[in-house]
Amino acid sequence: EPEVTQTPSHQVTQMGQEVILRCVPISNHLYFYWYRQILGQKVEFLVSFYNNEISEKSEIFDDQFSVERPDGSNFTLKIRSTKLEDSAMYFCASSLGFGNQPQHFGDGTRLSIL
Amino acid sequence: AQKVTQAQTEISVVEKEDVTLDCVYETRDTTYYLFWYKQPPSGELVFLIRRNSFDEQNEISGRYSWNFQKSTSSFNFTITASQVVDSAVYFCALSEVNTGANSKLTFGKGITLSVRP
Repeated sequence: EPEVTQTPSHQVTQMGQEVILRCVPISNHLYFYWYRQILGQKVEFLVSFYNNEISEKSEIFDDQFSVERPDGSNFTLKIRSTKLEDSAMYFCASSLGFGNQPQHFGDGTRLSIL
Repeated sequence: AQKVTQAQTEISVVEKEDVTLDCVYETRDTTYYLFWYKQPPSGELVFLIRRNSFDEQNEISGRYSWNFQKSTSSFNFTITASQVVDSAVYFCALSEVNTGANSKLTFGKGITLSVRP
């Protein structure tokens, strides 16, 4: 069964450094998402992406964050200058359509900011 | 604004017991979708079920069943004859269907289910 794949599985970064989290969505999916989960808390929406542009973003997704689909397969989340509070598990998801189509999640990237 | 409440935070049962995980949602949309996801200790999010707001039929899949009641805005999940492998965090989620191309999921806080042998 096709999967969403995320790399790396664990990223350790010094505060203030830039980090790029990578995702390969399911190949025929059209909608892409990033979510984050701070340890022990609920999963929170960050951003959705469709037709090469952001369709919605949450208040968490400030100017330090950006997303990109640099080619036909990858979908990246960049955090420009990381803060301690960015430490979390980041999930990429993709779906075939919106609303009724389930979002399929990758295994996540655990980001640890030191 | 949409909201999902999972009032139970932790549930512990002995293997073979039945267990029901509660989910209550709030939305102003008439068209929406409800989901359950499972997060085992390994951390990934596994899709379990999707239900649209126009379909109130209960669903059964093996040991899993779901009860959707619009009158009480609830979408409860029952595991029959629980097994140790069912131990995980279970999230209920809501997606509103907007006119745009976004359909973000709003998650509840999750219920940690521990099944003891």
